Amino acid sequence: QEQLVEVGGGLVKPGGSLRLSCAASEFAFGDYYMTWIRQAPGKGLEWLSYISTGGVTIYYADSVKGRFTVSRDNTKNSLYLQMNNLRTEDTAIYYCARGRFTGWYLDLWGRGTLVTVSS
Amino acid sequence: EIVLTQSPATLSLSPGERATLSCRASQSVYNYLIWYQQKPGQAPRPLIYDASERATGIPARFSGSGSGTDFTLTISSLEPEDFAVYYCQQRSNWPWTFGQGTKVEIK
Repeated sequence: QEQLVEVGGGLVKPGGSLRLSCAASEFAFGDYYMTWIRQAPGKGLEWLSYISTGGVTIYYADSVKGRFTVSRDNTKNSLYLQMNNLRTEDTAIYYCARGRFTGWYLDLWGRGTLVTVSS
Repeated sequence: EIVLTQSPATLSLSPGERATLSCRASQSVYNYLIWYQQKPGQAPRPLIYDASERATGIPARFSGSGSGTDFTLTISSLEPEDFAVYYCQQRSNWPWTFGQGTKVEIK
């Protein structure tokens, strides 16, 4: 069935970098816009970034602008999030989610990958 | 950035009762408001989009209303599986933003 699987989380020191990947399967990945959302432990959801179907249009939350870079490779059915200069407050579960043009809501989510930033 | 404020933070109800959750926006988001449900250890699931349209497969006991700055999610009769955290999200302006969530717990 349609699925998104995030990988790449782990433990990293403050100031370090990490690259998350999100692999899509069983749907036409290139037909959908994609987003990254995170959730700090015990906290609410925080929208991080948007990337259009072709990767031309990109938006970021102010909290990650200039540090995080979203990209996609439609030939590999994959979404990426390059995270640089990580801070302790970036500790969270990171979800990728597929965007549906009808209604512009996020209709398919991955299970998330945990990023822990700690010395 | 548009701030979404959800109330109450926690709603304690019994199965079969009606739940009414509120989401207020700091400026008009027109009807570009989405509701999600999240259960422990799971990713969020979309319930309502465009303020009042049910997402695919969502039961009729879930309904949404409102426009502009004030929105409501109503669960007409709580089922055991409805006890969860509910988030609203606006897509009117970048950056998209979520409310802080309302937890619906068993009384």
